[in-house]
Amino acid sequence: QKEVEQNSGPLSVPEGAIASLNCTYSDRVSQSFFWYRQYSGKSPELIMSIYSNGDKEDGRFTAQLNKASQYVSLLIRDSQPSDSATYLCAVTKAAGNKLTFGGGTRVLVKP
Amino acid sequence: DTGVSQDPRHKITKRGQNVTFRCDPISEHNRLYWYRQTLGQGPEFLTYFQNEAQLEKSRLLSDRFSAERPKGSFSTLEIQRTEQGDSAMYLCASSSPEAPSDTQYFGPGTRLTVL
Repeated sequence: QKEVEQNSGPLSVPEGAIASLNCTYSDRVSQSFFWYRQYSGKSPELIMSIYSNGDKEDGRFTAQLNKASQYVSLLIRDSQPSDSATYLCAVTKAAGNKLTFGGGTRVLVKP
Repeated sequence: DTGVSQDPRHKITKRGQNVTFRCDPISEHNRLYWYRQTLGQGPEFLTYFQNEAQLEKSRLLSDRFSAERPKGSFSTLEIQRTEQGDSAMYLCASSSPEAPSDTQYFGPGTRLTVL
């Protein structure tokens, strides 16, 4: 079992719709959770971080964390073609420690 | 704050050659990380430094790989006797305890192709 698992996609959503991305992790001691966006050929760019159970909203993005279920998700509202990218879920066991990434979910937003 | 920078951005080398990559972190970030990413995969951790101390090395980091951060500022990653399997994007990231909960910010990466 991989430490961090994501559906590889592609997740195809029409422009203006909500994209819902899921991530599960295996290590219960994981403390911090991150979503990065990565365009083809580019490096990861931080979108959201979340540390406690519940929802965290930033603009069109909402991250949701459920530590009991070892599950973190990302919602992208009003999806735009520019949101087409690979979204990487990453976890760390303590502040300053290494990130462990999932394989990423490719999102395609169709006009 | 100019962000994390990496040099070179692209490197093509022949199998068996040595290569060295450089990473300059965001100024005053005391933690620096190296990751490797192959096509279709998420980044994999290689090693990280707090100031000049190398605190953790992945088992992925064979004895052909060495990393240094001699003055706690920039870092170098050297690969000796390169193999075709070393072809990947090498990513550097930095963080600070003062930044939002040690969030890691990535540089543009160095894409290595071993022929």
